[in-house]
Amino acid sequence: DTGVSQDPRHKITKRGQNVTFRCDPISEHNRLYWYRQTLGQGPEFLTYFQNEAQLEKSRLLSDRFSAERPKGSFSTLEIQRTEQGDSAMYLCASSESGRDNNEQFFGPGTRLTVL
Amino acid sequence: GQQLNQSPQSMFIQEGEDVSMNCTSSSIFNTWLWYKQDPGEGPVLLIALYKAGELTSNGRLTAQFGITRKDSFLNISASIPSDVGIYFCAGHMNYGGSQGNLIFGKGTKLSVKP
Repeated sequence: DTGVSQDPRHKITKRGQNVTFRCDPISEHNRLYWYRQTLGQGPEFLTYFQNEAQLEKSRLLSDRFSAERPKGSFSTLEIQRTEQGDSAMYLCASSESGRDNNEQFFGPGTRLTVL
Repeated sequence: GQQLNQSPQSMFIQEGEDVSMNCTSSSIFNTWLWYKQDPGEGPVLLIALYKAGELTSNGRLTAQFGITRKDSFLNISASIPSDVGIYFCAGHMNYGGSQGNLIFGKGTKLSVKP
């Protein structure tokens, strides 16, 4: 399977704990995106990488959130001191570079539940 | 911030019926995309539109990029049970400091008529 993969698919944690999610994009895609989706809503943008550079961050990405893409391949999203409001589906997407190419391909998501 | 208004919020389909949904915005987009999401999965890209007035088909799906660049619609012809799911429109703009993100509507949920 050469699509976007995410790990883990599900994570249950207690409030105050740190969690880290991983995303592996489609291999030839140099753009990588993180989104958050809550029940009944569409995905909301969190951040975007081109290769290893983090080029854009949403206001939703509070100080407790950090994302990295150290070698321009896989990416991690860490949430520190989790809160119940962080419970959501975290989606990763990737795309090819190119001014007119905005086709983003999504992974299956990581479902986070904060107790 | 920008918002996409997607309608209807939900609809029931009977096998064989045609389905239509649309998305409008107060902002101009240079790309419109339509995705389908099944429960517990990520959105799957159905159609991408890049030019105002463009009409694009993908099997039984047809989508159009509105002339004003502020709207798009998706039609599904001769629906089948596996069309059930949530359909999202998404828009992208390459200006105003926004390079990467898609802005999504709240989705149209397709269910089977009881």
